[in-house]
Amino acid sequence: QVQVVQSGSELKKPGASVKVSCKASGYEFTTYGMNWVRQAPGQGLEWMGWMNTNTGNPTYAQGFTRRFVFSLDTSVSTGYLEISSLKAEDTAVYYCVPSAEYFFDYWGPGTLVTVSS
Amino acid sequence: QSALTQPASVSGSPGQSITISCTGTSSDVGAYNYVTWYQQHPGKAPKLMIYEVVYRPSGVPDRFSGSKSGITASLTISGLQAEDEAHYYCSSYTNINSWLFGGGTKLTVL
Repeated sequence: QVQVVQSGSELKKPGASVKVSCKASGYEFTTYGMNWVRQAPGQGLEWMGWMNTNTGNPTYAQGFTRRFVFSLDTSVSTGYLEISSLKAEDTAVYYCVPSAEYFFDYWGPGTLVTVSS
Repeated sequence: QSALTQPASVSGSPGQSITISCTGTSSDVGAYNYVTWYQQHPGKAPKLMIYEVVYRPSGVPDRFSGSKSGITASLTISGLQAEDEAHYYCSSYTNINSWLFGGGTKLTVL
């Protein structure tokens, strides 16, 4: 049974950085890619990109290529999303979604990141 | 790339059927049979309802069905129930190896 646990909510000031963690279990970690999806308050879903957990190669969607960094620690089956130079518009719930197929079936619970002075 | 186009809202009475459309382009919906539908209740993570246009994961009622014609995919829910009230999002794989979501449709069960 695949389980996904994400780190807790964060409140950050503009200009700061945040690192969200995503620990997956119930499968061999490097056999599923790790996707990240953003949902701003009251808004829709936005695919941010994914991390190839086998090669460590990240792919970023348009709009997520500068201040957003995906990383891994395969020894603890955990993926990370780090956002630097935070802006108010980064306020959102960030979901990690391990996937080995052409669909997203195992969604994490989401991590709310609030950026406010 | 722009988001896939969905109606902002649809509604129906219990027992009725509704259809939600999802329009893309020849670079995404029209190019691949990798259209997915997700259901999201307030404050919850999205839930996979339909994958690869027509397939239902285990546990999803057969009241939910998917289809596609050209650049438009559709989700049909028959025999509407109160618990179906939620937001629904479509998604498609694209020709630049990325995923696009629709803007979401709020389903209201009257």
